[in-house]
Amino acid sequence: AQSVTQPDIHITVSEGASLELRCNYSYGATPYLFWYVQSPGQGLQLLLKYFSGDTLVQGIKGFEAEFKRSQSSFNLRKPSVHWSDAAEYFCAVGGPTGTASKLTFGTGTRLQVTL
Amino acid sequence: DAGVTQSPTHLIKTRGQQVTLRCSPKSGHDTVSWYQQALGQGPQFIFQYYEEEERQRGNFPDRFSGHQFPNYSSELNVNALLLGDSALYLCASSLGYGAELFGPGTRLTVL
Repeated sequence: AQSVTQPDIHITVSEGASLELRCNYSYGATPYLFWYVQSPGQGLQLLLKYFSGDTLVQGIKGFEAEFKRSQSSFNLRKPSVHWSDAAEYFCAVGGPTGTASKLTFGTGTRLQVTL
Repeated sequence: DAGVTQSPTHLIKTRGQQVTLRCSPKSGHDTVSWYQQALGQGPQFIFQYYEEEERQRGNFPDRFSGHQFPNYSSELNVNALLLGDSALYLCASSLGYGAELFGPGTRLTVL
């Protein structure tokens, strides 16, 4: 069965500091990996995705993530956090169309940004 | 393009009632998935529709059912509502298997 673990429930960083959010997954084949962001009361916005190819993936809003197969990880990073980045971040794993294409989400990491 | 739209935005029901939630996918998308997000949790997959058929189903009881119409829009029906059904219900659309695009959700409160 596929699963996602986000070990950090809550992270606080200062504005301008770097950020890394951890994500570990379990999946029986080559995974499709995603990071989403959710502001309070809102839906999910896709930050970036990994399907294949280059293991360092660039996303929107200055975010990037690195796929490490040996560690079953897909950590999200940002070099300099802005106050507007405060939100809930979800990592998700899925598969190709016609197979296990549903997304399985982690429980999320709440990011707080201090000024 | 309005992206994925959902209606209604909020809904209050009482235990035992039935509810229907609606979703219009992004123009050009043919696959619709539904997720339930309880407070403080990540979204949980309910089911996915493609070509008007349920293609995949998560671990939800038969009280949860759905439908996809020829124009790719979709409905989620929940019968015999329980307090535990209170959640944000998210619809997501995709073309085949691109990255899923989520709608803003419907907040369901069961009293």
